[in-house]
Amino acid sequence: DAGVIQSPRHEVTEMGQEVTLRCKPISGHDYLFWYRQTMMRGLELLIYFNNNVPIDDSGMPEDRFSAKMPNASFSTLKIQPSEPRDSAVYFCASSFPAGQWANTEAFFGQGTRLTVV
Amino acid sequence: AQSVTQLGSHVSVSEGALVLLRCNYSSSVPPYLFWYVQYPNQGLQLLLKYTSAATLVKGINGFEAEFKKSETSFHLTKPSAHMSDAAEYFCAVSTGKLIFGQGTTLQVKP
Repeated sequence: DAGVIQSPRHEVTEMGQEVTLRCKPISGHDYLFWYRQTMMRGLELLIYFNNNVPIDDSGMPEDRFSAKMPNASFSTLKIQPSEPRDSAVYFCASSFPAGQWANTEAFFGQGTRLTVV
Repeated sequence: AQSVTQLGSHVSVSEGALVLLRCNYSSSVPPYLFWYVQYPNQGLQLLLKYTSAATLVKGINGFEAEFKKSETSFHLTKPSAHMSDAAEYFCAVSTGKLIFGQGTTLQVKP
């Protein structure tokens, strides 16, 4: 398997524009996570899905952020409108339950570096 | 709610010296604990995980960590640092969702 695939790797956009980040989880994994990494706040869990259903979106910072998982092999994180403070590296990760899912490692993608100017 | 605290945002050691990265956790239920490593411009990869089978956990690249419930700690160690160990290290706790500490940058000096 190629691992978790994120696209694009880098995105530069102007304030106010819509940004869509994409993620393809590892085949067979039924948990998918979106994280945001910044110097100031570290790694923040934004939202996670189980079997394509959002389970916890309490980390989504504002209504400008939305995430979808239309099928088991694809998820998007959308920011509309984007702001400079959204500049960060966004990671997608996936995992599968082995007994209790909580003890299963998450596999991370390479991340998308977003710069909003 | 669970959380982790990593003591020291930067740690510097000489090549061949002991590596000790500190992590304390807070959890209302027995936790599952993880250490991840992140190399520049890459995602995170798992070093090791504690799942209650044994308190001393061995991971990849010679790293190990010991779970101490009385101290609510899960410190990461390696007997002899190598230049290739320079990276950022994250402690994480899971009781249903995976929460990361702030990270510790390890510098290895020649």
